[in-house]
Amino acid sequence: GESVGLHLPTLSVQEGDNSIINCAYSNSASDYFIWYKQESGKGPQFIIDIRSNMDKRQGQRVTVLLNKTVKHLSLQIAATQPGDSAVYFCAENDFTGGGNKLTFGTGTQLKVEL
Amino acid sequence: KAGVTQTPRYLIKTRGQQVTLSCSPISGHRSVSWYQQTPGQGLQFLFEYFSETQRNKGNFPGRFSGRQFSNSRSEMNVSTLELGDSALYLCASSLAGGAGNTIYFGEGSWLTVV
Repeated sequence: GESVGLHLPTLSVQEGDNSIINCAYSNSASDYFIWYKQESGKGPQFIIDIRSNMDKRQGQRVTVLLNKTVKHLSLQIAATQPGDSAVYFCAENDFTGGGNKLTFGTGTQLKVEL
Repeated sequence: KAGVTQTPRYLIKTRGQQVTLSCSPISGHRSVSWYQQTPGQGLQFLFEYFSETQRNKGNFPGRFSGRQFSNSRSEMNVSTLELGDSALYLCASSLAGGAGNTIYFGEGSWLTVV
């Protein structure tokens, strides 16, 4: 059949505002969650991770929240900057077979307006 | 410390040909995994290797194969190329499996099949 491009949700924010990017995951057995940032033409860049036994973790200007009850993950970026413009992916790892096997969300395009 | 290195960065192949992509993980990392990224399907897991053994495999046809060498470097091969194999192929490495082992991605190899 015809291949249709994934429709990436877009979040537009003003420079200096806070951004919140949401993600729903599907596998209750997933134990580890990661947020990646991907700029055009580049590979995904690690931002922050969280284990399933936590509900919040903070990094530099970023916070990840995990709600296992509703299988929801969010990434908060404080004081969003133009350099934050990119596609953001959440990923879950259930460590199938003891190894790494990431399942990615479809991604969210973050656009920072000056 | 050098990141994950992938070669070649760009390549064009003809339908029916085969291709080999190479990945050098971060020094000391023993887990290497491969992902395919397309506009239509997003980021999809291909396979993961650890200490020269395939631990996990995604839902791709047998035309997609890989291997890992004793120095942890990895290659993936796609035989009998189809137009739909055009994609960004990403390699990722981590120290091992398990939560807390950050997974780092390379810049990818852009494959175009004509």
